[in-house]
Amino acid sequence: EDKVVQSPLSLVVHEGDTVTLNCSYEVTNFRSLLWYKQEKKAPTFLFMLTSSGIEKKSGRLSSILDKKELFSILNITATQTGDSAVYLCAVEGMVNAGNMLTFGGGTRLMVKP
Amino acid sequence: SAVISQKPSRDICQRGTSLTIQCQVDSQVTMMFWYRQQPGQSLTLIATANQGSEATYESGFVIDKFPISRPNLTFSTLTVSNMSPEDSSIYLCSVEGVQGRSYNEQFFGPGTRLTVL
Repeated sequence: EDKVVQSPLSLVVHEGDTVTLNCSYEVTNFRSLLWYKQEKKAPTFLFMLTSSGIEKKSGRLSSILDKKELFSILNITATQTGDSAVYLCAVEGMVNAGNMLTFGGGTRLMVKP
Repeated sequence: SAVISQKPSRDICQRGTSLTIQCQVDSQVTMMFWYRQQPGQSLTLIATANQGSEATYESGFVIDKFPISRPNLTFSTLTVSNMSPEDSSIYLCSVEGVQGRSYNEQFFGPGTRLTVL
């Protein structure tokens, strides 16, 4: 059974701190790993990772995938209160010729002023 | 956590037909949502399924195209009507307000992969 585990479950930091969010997975026929930021009901896409060791960056956010160890990290530097959200990791795998998404439970980040 | 199952897990349909996707949860939940996931894009919320009343649709989605039912606290269906190739996507059921968990902790189902020819 496919599984995606995120840690920590929740995190409280102060503005300016750097945070690292973790996502480990066990998925049949891995295709890609996706990170989302969820503030309301519709998560916003952040990154799609398909290759090991290649860092993707967008402003203060960056992410990297390790396909050997089956995990990914999402880094946020110089955090701001607007970064407060739930961060979701999802892995796309291929099952019986169909691509399926498996979501982790999310990490709830709170950034205090 | 909540165990969410969706049926079918995948389907290939002809243009102009309709498909109903079922979402079953193993415990009562407060909120149920339907999302669409297109490759490399954000999850898009289609609607919130309200138990015993009409669903609440997001901008760009209408009841005639995506009728939703929620007859009880553990089950919902989403129908994709009069399908076109643009409806090809993964459709995800999500729940919130699971007994014993934080009220706003959200869980996602495994998704239904729809391909429209």
